[in-house]
Amino acid sequence: DAGITQSPRHKVTETGTPVTLRCHQTENHRYMYWYRQDPGHGLRLIHYSYGVKDTDKGEVSDGYSVSRSKTEDFLLTLESATSSQTSVYFCAISGGDRAGGYTFGSGTRLTVV
Amino acid sequence: SQQGEEDPQALSIQEGENATMNCSYKTSINNLQWYRQNSGRGLVHLILIRSNEREKHSGRLRVTLDTSKKSSSLLITASRAADTASYFCATALNYGGSQGNLIFGKGTKLSVKP
Repeated sequence: DAGITQSPRHKVTETGTPVTLRCHQTENHRYMYWYRQDPGHGLRLIHYSYGVKDTDKGEVSDGYSVSRSKTEDFLLTLESATSSQTSVYFCAISGGDRAGGYTFGSGTRLTVV
Repeated sequence: SQQGEEDPQALSIQEGENATMNCSYKTSINNLQWYRQNSGRGLVHLILIRSNEREKHSGRLRVTLDTSKKSSSLLITASRAADTASYFCATALNYGGSQGNLIFGKGTKLSVKP
């Protein structure tokens, strides 16, 4: 997906360990988002950012934290991974109201064992 | 809770037929968007319709919006096997005229048989 990359693409981790997922954009967009996608739930917003060091919670933020120290990078941290956080995580970017839709990354498949 | 709900959950058609998917939502919106997701991939933005628009076209896609019924439909004409994917509607709530964050429905899984 042009302009936005997520890393890693796949990760298996153990319960109780911290995990950090990275989203990197080259579009200089102001807004960045982290969603998780689970069967039967669609996509749910975890956290979002509206500028450097400006972040806010989404619908399912418990157990997650984020940081944005640069425009291009938005990090999602699972402080102590649990099996319920096994999911596919998507990052998205947006330029705001006039920019139209979101651009999504390819996703990170996280398995917590 | 989900703002948008797609209907049907799954749809199977033959190549060349039209596919219609519906989306209902609950509260006032700034705009409504449709996305496609191929298996194992990220979502791709298809089309955006603003709350003051009733119909929009993009290639073989036609989107309608009925704010009085709080519903939208996505029509894909002359479908192709390559249209096989999940389709999601997403609503941007109205925050004093500005667009809030997108809230996604659970999607319609479209299968187009050659």
